Amino acid sequence: AQKITQTQPGMFVQEKEAVTLDCTYDTSDQSYGLFWYKQPSSGEMIFLIYQGSYDEQNATEGRYSLNFQKARKSANLVISASQLGDSAMYFCAMREGTRYGGSQGNLIFGKGTKLSVKP
Amino acid sequence: DVKVTQSSRYLVKRTGEKVFLECVQDMDHENMFWYRQDPGLGLRLIYFSYDVKMKEKGDIPEGYSVSREKKERFSLILESASTNQTSMYLCASSLYQGPYNEQFFGPGTRLTVL
Repeated sequence: AQKITQTQPGMFVQEKEAVTLDCTYDTSDQSYGLFWYKQPSSGEMIFLIYQGSYDEQNATEGRYSLNFQKARKSANLVISASQLGDSAMYFCAMREGTRYGGSQGNLIFGKGTKLSVKP
Repeated sequence: DVKVTQSSRYLVKRTGEKVFLECVQDMDHENMFWYRQDPGLGLRLIYFSYDVKMKEKGDIPEGYSVSREKKERFSLILESASTNQTSMYLCASSLYQGPYNEQFFGPGTRLTVL
């Protein structure tokens, strides 16, 4: 079963509007972290925002916010006031548990959403 | 700022060649990772290392090996390159394991095997 699901392969948004990118996750751990990365066409992965499973407040970083709904196991990324430079692939990722060593503590990525911002 | 560098942005090799992809990080991170990225499949973990000379297999280690002789450097080796290893390869590092530490990525290497 997929641990991270991004149901939107591609999305369009008008410049200056807000957009929500969906992410649902599956874990039985109580302690986990959720991450969003941006990948422009140049290829580098840029870390955007992080939410810990015990964080009560939704994370925010500038124009990025994470709408964390723990009971629904969703961690949607909200980009406010979209800019042309926001056009990129966006990946949701999760890191589970407090186990150290072994692959259990590694990042698990979704398949990504391609966001296109229209002028 | 954390800096993760990869030896090449683009690489073209022939089937059967031995290929080395190098990754260097400058922030004294304990953990380093190699992923490959293919359209529609997202990122998949090949190998990772949580200490010098330590390595563990990720989800798709077949056809690859790694080397970590120094803390800052993590090499991915394709012993005999094949066309199905044509992909984007991304290196990453993080300070610790555990759920609260983000990974910092290098710019990626686009490898084409002919």
